[in-house]
Amino acid sequence: KAGVTQTPRYLIKTRGQQVTLSCSPISGHRSVSWYQQTPGQGLQFLFEYFSETQRNKGNFPGRFSGRQFSNSRSEMNVSTLELGDSALYLCASSETSRSQETQYFGPGTRLLVL
Amino acid sequence: DQQVKQNSPSLSVQEGRISILNCDYTNSMFDYFLWYKKYPAEGPTFLISISSIKDKNEDGRFTVFLNKSAKHLSLHIVPSQPGDSAVYFCAAAGTYKYIFGTGTRLKVLA
Repeated sequence: KAGVTQTPRYLIKTRGQQVTLSCSPISGHRSVSWYQQTPGQGLQFLFEYFSETQRNKGNFPGRFSGRQFSNSRSEMNVSTLELGDSALYLCASSETSRSQETQYFGPGTRLLVL
Repeated sequence: DQQVKQNSPSLSVQEGRISILNCDYTNSMFDYFLWYKKYPAEGPTFLISISSIKDKNEDGRFTVFLNKSAKHLSLHIVPSQPGDSAVYFCAAAGTYKYIFGTGTRLKVLA
């Protein structure tokens, strides 16, 4: 099976712009989660989607949003970009939304905000 | 409030010796724990997991130990190889999908 794919891999934006990142999960996986990785902060949970519904949300401002499509593909949007949004954004998929289930990560999208 | 902590930001080990990476957590409701390995510019790769009903899980060179009373888990890599050099993250399953530690950078010296 193909792994989790994310596009684009790299992105440069300026403050105030918005950005949309895309994630295609492993075939058959219906849960998609998004994480932000910044130096010194580890991976921080953004949100999880399962069957097109947001199941969980982390402690991030409303500028961060997402959605999931009927084919389980997911997009994440960040509006009004700030310098502090520069990070590696990781998408992970699993078969279900159960907590005792392994998530598999994509390669990430590195976002640089200037 | 950091619910999952990896207190050693880095660790150096000689090739062939044992690497021990540690992780502490504060929430007793966590019931599933995982270790991931991450190389630069790549996503984390799943290594091994353990359910809270077990205290040990083994997979080849990797063994994870869970001490629920101490709220502590550790990853043992035996023998360590240069290709194991990476950042290792522990994660715990809780209300949010996973809560990750801040990582330990392992360097295996040839």
